[in-house]
Amino acid sequence: GDSVTQMEGPVTLSEEAFLTINCTYTATGYPSLFWYVQYPGEGLQLLLKATKADDKGSNKGFEATYRKETTSFHLEKGSVQVSDSAVYFCARSEGDKLIFGTGTRLQVFP
Amino acid sequence: DTEVTQTPKHLVMGMTNKKSLKCEQHMGHRAMYWYKQKAKKPPELMFVYSYEKLSINESVPSRFSPECPNSSLLNLHLHALQPEDSALYLCASSQGWDRVSNEKLFFGSGTQLSVL
Repeated sequence: GDSVTQMEGPVTLSEEAFLTINCTYTATGYPSLFWYVQYPGEGLQLLLKATKADDKGSNKGFEATYRKETTSFHLEKGSVQVSDSAVYFCARSEGDKLIFGTGTRLQVFP
Repeated sequence: DTEVTQTPKHLVMGMTNKKSLKCEQHMGHRAMYWYKQKAKKPPELMFVYSYEKLSINESVPSRFSPECPNSSLLNLHLHALQPEDSALYLCASSQGWDRVSNEKLFFGSGTQLSVL
Protein backbone atom coordinates (compact mmCIF):
# COMPACT_ATOMS: atom_id res chain seq x y z
CA GLY A 1 0.00 0.00 0.00
CA ASP A 2 0.89 3.68 -0.09
CA SER A 3 3.54 4.78 2.36
CA VAL A 4 2.61 8.47 2.24
CA THR A 5 -1.05 9.41 1.98
CA GLN A 6 -2.32 12.91 1.41
CA MET A 7 -5.80 14.34 1.21
CA GLU A 8 -7.12 14.69 -2.30
CA GLY A 9 -7.40 18.14 -3.72
CA PRO A 10 -7.95 20.63 -4.89
CA VAL A 11 -8.26 22.56 -1.68
CA THR A 12 -9.94 25.86 -2.47
CA LEU A 13 -9.75 28.71 0.03
CA SER A 14 -10.29 32.43 0.23
CA GLU A 15 -7.36 34.65 1.12
CA GLU A 16 -6.65 34.80 4.89
CA ALA A 17 -8.42 31.48 5.53
CA PHE A 18 -6.89 28.76 7.72
CA LEU A 19 -5.23 25.90 5.87
CA THR A 20 -4.82 22.26 6.82
CA ILE A 21 -3.50 19.63 4.43
CA ASN A 22 -3.49 16.16 5.98
CA CYS A 23 -0.62 13.71 5.58
CA THR A 24 -0.18 10.29 7.13
CA TYR A 25 2.59 7.80 6.61
CA THR A 26 3.45 4.19 7.16
CA ALA A 27 7.02 3.22 7.89
CA THR A 28 9.18 0.91 9.90
CA GLY A 29 11.48 2.82 12.18
CA TYR A 30 11.50 6.58 12.45
CA PRO A 31 11.68 8.35 9.11
CA SER A 32 12.28 12.03 8.59
CA LEU A 33 9.23 13.85 7.24
CA PHE A 34 9.01 16.70 4.75
CA TRP A 35 6.72 19.06 2.94
CA TYR A 36 7.77 20.14 -0.55
CA VAL A 37 5.93 22.80 -2.60
CA GLN A 38 5.69 23.01 -6.39
CA TYR A 39 4.64 26.37 -7.81
CA PRO A 40 3.22 26.43 -11.34
CA GLY A 41 5.89 25.75 -13.95
CA GLU A 42 8.61 25.12 -11.39
CA GLY A 43 10.36 22.22 -9.70
CA LEU A 44 9.77 21.16 -6.12
CA GLN A 45 11.17 23.21 -3.24
CA LEU A 46 11.68 22.05 0.31
CA LEU A 47 9.18 23.91 2.50
CA LEU A 48 9.89 22.38 5.90
CA LYS A 49 10.99 19.19 7.59
CA ALA A 50 11.05 17.35 10.91
CA THR A 51 13.47 14.61 11.79
CA LYS A 52 12.07 13.13 15.01
CA ALA A 53 8.86 12.72 16.95
CA ASP A 54 7.28 15.92 18.31
CA ASP A 55 9.56 18.10 16.17
CA LYS A 56 7.79 21.03 14.53
CA GLY A 57 8.98 22.22 11.16
CA SER A 58 8.11 25.78 10.15
CA ASN A 59 8.77 28.13 7.28
CA LYS A 60 6.97 31.07 5.62
CA GLY A 61 4.09 30.80 8.11
CA PHE A 62 3.58 27.09 7.42
CA GLU A 63 3.94 24.55 10.23
CA ALA A 64 3.82 20.79 10.60
CA THR A 65 4.37 18.63 13.68
CA TYR A 66 5.76 15.08 13.58
CA ARG A 67 3.15 12.97 15.41
CA LYS A 68 4.43 9.45 15.99
CA GLU A 69 1.30 8.31 17.81
CA THR A 70 -0.94 9.15 14.86
CA THR A 71 1.77 8.73 12.16
CA SER A 72 0.84 12.14 10.80
CA PHE A 73 2.54 15.30 9.59
CA HIS A 74 -0.30 17.68 8.75
CA LEU A 75 0.55 21.01 7.14
CA GLU A 76 -1.07 24.15 8.55
CA LYS A 77 -1.04 27.87 7.92
CA GLY A 78 -3.06 30.41 9.82
CA SER A 79 -3.73 32.83 6.95
CA VAL A 80 -3.14 31.83 3.34
CA GLN A 81 -2.30 34.19 0.51
CA VAL A 82 -3.00 33.97 -3.22
CA SER A 83 0.74 33.43 -3.70
CA ASP A 84 0.49 30.17 -1.71
CA SER A 85 -1.40 28.57 -4.60
CA ALA A 86 0.68 25.54 -5.55
CA VAL A 87 0.87 21.77 -5.21
CA TYR A 88 2.07 20.54 -1.83
CA PHE A 89 3.83 17.17 -1.49
CA CYS A 90 4.31 15.34 1.77
CA ALA A 91 7.33 13.02 1.80
CA ARG A 92 9.20 10.71 4.09
CA SER A 93 12.70 9.33 4.03
CA GLU A 94 13.27 5.67 3.26
CA GLY A 95 16.90 4.88 3.78
CA ASP A 96 18.71 7.27 1.49
CA LYS A 97 15.64 8.01 -0.66
CA LEU A 98 12.59 10.23 -0.46
CA ILE A 99 9.10 8.80 -0.94
CA PHE A 100 6.54 11.39 -2.04
CA GLY A 101 2.80 11.46 -1.56
CA THR A 102 0.49 12.15 -4.49
CA GLY A 103 0.37 15.91 -3.85
CA THR A 104 -2.48 18.25 -2.90
CA ARG A 105 -3.30 21.25 -5.06
CA LEU A 106 -4.11 24.42 -3.13
CA GLN A 107 -6.01 27.22 -4.85
CA VAL A 108 -6.36 30.52 -2.99
CA PHE A 109 -8.72 33.17 -4.32
CA PRO A 110 -8.72 36.87 -3.43
CA ASP B 1 23.84 30.32 -7.25
CA THR B 2 21.21 27.97 -5.81
CA GLU B 3 19.67 26.91 -9.07
CA VAL B 4 19.35 23.67 -10.92
CA THR B 5 18.94 24.49 -14.60
CA GLN B 6 17.24 22.12 -17.01
CA THR B 7 17.02 22.34 -20.78
CA PRO B 8 14.95 22.22 -22.82
CA LYS B 9 11.80 23.25 -20.94
CA HIS B 10 9.58 21.50 -23.47
CA LEU B 11 10.33 18.67 -25.89
CA VAL B 12 8.17 16.89 -28.43
CA MET B 13 9.65 13.79 -30.03
CA GLY B 14 8.59 10.86 -32.16
CA MET B 15 9.09 7.27 -31.14
CA THR B 16 12.07 6.88 -33.48
CA ASN B 17 13.88 10.03 -32.39
CA LYS B 18 16.97 10.34 -30.22
CA LYS B 19 17.09 13.32 -27.89
CA SER B 20 18.84 14.37 -24.69
CA LEU B 21 17.76 16.23 -21.59
CA LYS B 22 20.34 18.34 -19.82
CA CYS B 23 20.75 19.43 -16.22
CA GLU B 24 23.33 21.71 -14.65
CA GLN B 25 24.11 22.92 -11.13
CA HIS B 26 26.97 25.01 -9.75
CA MET B 27 26.38 24.55 -6.03
CA GLY B 28 29.18 22.03 -5.64
CA HIS B 29 26.66 19.27 -5.03
CA ARG B 30 28.04 15.76 -5.50
CA ALA B 31 24.72 13.91 -5.89
CA MET B 32 22.37 14.39 -8.84
CA TYR B 33 19.04 12.74 -9.58
CA TRP B 34 16.53 12.15 -12.34
CA TYR B 35 12.85 11.94 -11.41
CA LYS B 36 9.83 11.27 -13.62
CA GLN B 37 6.52 12.94 -12.77
CA LYS B 38 3.29 12.02 -14.53
CA ALA B 39 0.37 14.43 -14.38
CA LYS B 40 -1.20 14.63 -10.92
CA LYS B 41 1.25 12.04 -9.57
CA PRO B 42 4.25 12.36 -7.26
CA PRO B 43 7.79 12.38 -8.62
CA GLU B 44 9.28 8.91 -9.01
CA LEU B 45 13.00 8.36 -8.67
CA MET B 46 14.75 7.05 -11.80
CA PHE B 47 18.50 7.43 -11.26
CA VAL B 48 20.98 8.73 -8.70
CA TYR B 49 24.57 9.71 -9.41
CA SER B 50 26.98 10.17 -6.54
CA TYR B 51 30.44 11.55 -7.26
CA GLU B 52 29.75 11.04 -10.98
CA LYS B 53 29.05 7.33 -10.53
CA LEU B 54 25.65 5.72 -10.99
CA SER B 55 24.46 4.70 -7.53
CA ILE B 56 20.78 3.91 -8.12
CA ASN B 57 18.88 2.70 -11.16
CA GLU B 58 15.25 2.13 -10.22
CA SER B 59 14.66 -0.56 -12.85
CA VAL B 60 14.31 2.05 -15.57
CA PRO B 61 13.97 0.75 -19.17
CA SER B 62 17.14 0.94 -21.25
CA ARG B 63 15.54 3.45 -23.63
CA PHE B 64 16.49 5.94 -20.89
CA SER B 65 20.27 6.29 -20.58
CA PRO B 66 21.76 8.64 -17.98
CA GLU B 67 25.19 10.19 -18.19
CA CYS B 68 27.17 12.33 -15.75
CA PRO B 69 30.07 13.92 -17.68
CA ASN B 70 31.28 15.88 -14.65
CA SER B 71 30.15 16.91 -11.20
CA SER B 72 28.05 19.83 -12.52
CA LEU B 73 26.28 18.16 -15.42
CA LEU B 74 23.73 15.39 -15.75
CA ASN B 75 22.22 14.20 -19.03
CA LEU B 76 19.37 11.85 -19.83
CA HIS B 77 19.59 10.32 -23.32
CA LEU B 78 16.30 9.22 -24.83
CA HIS B 79 15.84 6.70 -27.62
CA ALA B 80 12.84 4.81 -28.98
CA LEU B 81 10.48 6.17 -26.33
CA GLN B 82 6.84 5.23 -26.05
CA PRO B 83 3.85 7.58 -25.70
CA GLU B 84 3.46 6.46 -22.08
CA ASP B 85 6.89 7.97 -21.38
CA SER B 86 5.35 11.43 -21.78
CA ALA B 87 5.86 13.19 -18.45
CA LEU B 88 7.69 15.96 -16.64
CA TYR B 89 11.32 14.96 -16.10
CA LEU B 90 12.86 16.60 -13.06
CA CYS B 91 16.52 16.89 -12.21
CA ALA B 92 17.60 17.44 -8.63
CA SER B 93 20.83 17.74 -6.69
CA SER B 94 21.99 17.53 -3.09
CA GLN B 95 25.22 18.03 -1.24
CA GLY B 96 25.89 14.33 -1.03
CA TRP B 97 24.32 10.89 -1.32
CA ASP B 98 23.65 10.11 2.29
CA ARG B 99 20.71 10.19 4.65
CA VAL B 100 21.37 13.71 5.88
CA SER B 101 22.38 15.47 2.67
CA ASN B 102 19.69 14.13 0.41
CA GLU B 103 17.04 15.34 2.82
CA LYS B 104 17.38 18.69 1.08
CA LEU B 105 16.96 18.26 -2.62
CA PHE B 106 17.19 21.19 -5.00
CA PHE B 107 14.97 20.64 -8.02
CA GLY B 108 15.04 22.14 -11.47
CA SER B 109 11.82 23.25 -13.13
CA GLY B 110 11.78 20.20 -15.36
CA THR B 111 11.47 19.24 -19.01
CA GLN B 112 7.92 18.57 -20.17
CA LEU B 113 8.30 15.69 -22.62
CA SER B 114 5.65 14.62 -25.12
CA VAL B 115 6.20 11.45 -27.14
CA LEU B 116 4.04 11.15 -30.24
